Amino acid sequence: GAVVSQHPSWVICKSGTSVKIECRSLDFQATTMFWYRQFPKQSLMLMATSNEGSKATYEQGVEKDKFLINHASLTLSTLTVTSAHPEDSSFYICSARSRTSGPNEQFFGPGTRLTVL
Amino acid sequence: GQQLNQSPQSMFIQEGEDVSMNCTSSSIFNTWLWYKQDPGEGPVLLIALYKAGELTSNGRLTAQFGITRKDSFLNISASIPSDVGIYFCAGRGAGGTSYGKLTFGQGTILTVHP
Repeated sequence: GAVVSQHPSWVICKSGTSVKIECRSLDFQATTMFWYRQFPKQSLMLMATSNEGSKATYEQGVEKDKFLINHASLTLSTLTVTSAHPEDSSFYICSARSRTSGPNEQFFGPGTRLTVL
Repeated sequence: GQQLNQSPQSMFIQEGEDVSMNCTSSSIFNTWLWYKQDPGEGPVLLIALYKAGELTSNGRLTAQFGITRKDSFLNISASIPSDVGIYFCAGRGAGGTSYGKLTFGQGTILTVHP
């Protein structure tokens, strides 16, 4: 149980285009989802926290107009990188927590590799 | 914001050797977590620690939550090739704006030679 999927697993796009990444909880209802960004050989940096049905809370320094997050249902959250540029190239990972999971349990997705040319 | 200092950054060991890595912080955490990440994958939880002083094992893995709540270590005994990967510590905030969020260490890259 507690499986989180992400789609796509990798994407290559041209500079200036927008890219949408989906994060799904497959066998549980995710009341909270987290979006992280990871550069090569570096740590995971929390970008934003989203609760189902409400606006995402962004971490300091993360542009909310650049990284649009929607958590419209209990099983799906999306991250849209708008007008992507090469510096947005990174590994984006989501994680999810349910009502019944412990406060410290976050189940991570497999990540999405974004390359902006 | 809160920061975790994880060391060592990388380790190259022979199969069968024991491994130790640790994380320290200037801030207090109420939970310490240890994750393993394989290339191109998301992190997988190895061990969760909830109380200061707690020592928990999961197979060949042992981790402890420091008494001061500002540090934790992870030991891997009798390493095997599949232990290869990046190990991250993570702390769950104890209060203020960091409450409930996970802060990750920089990671320890483990290479095991057969």
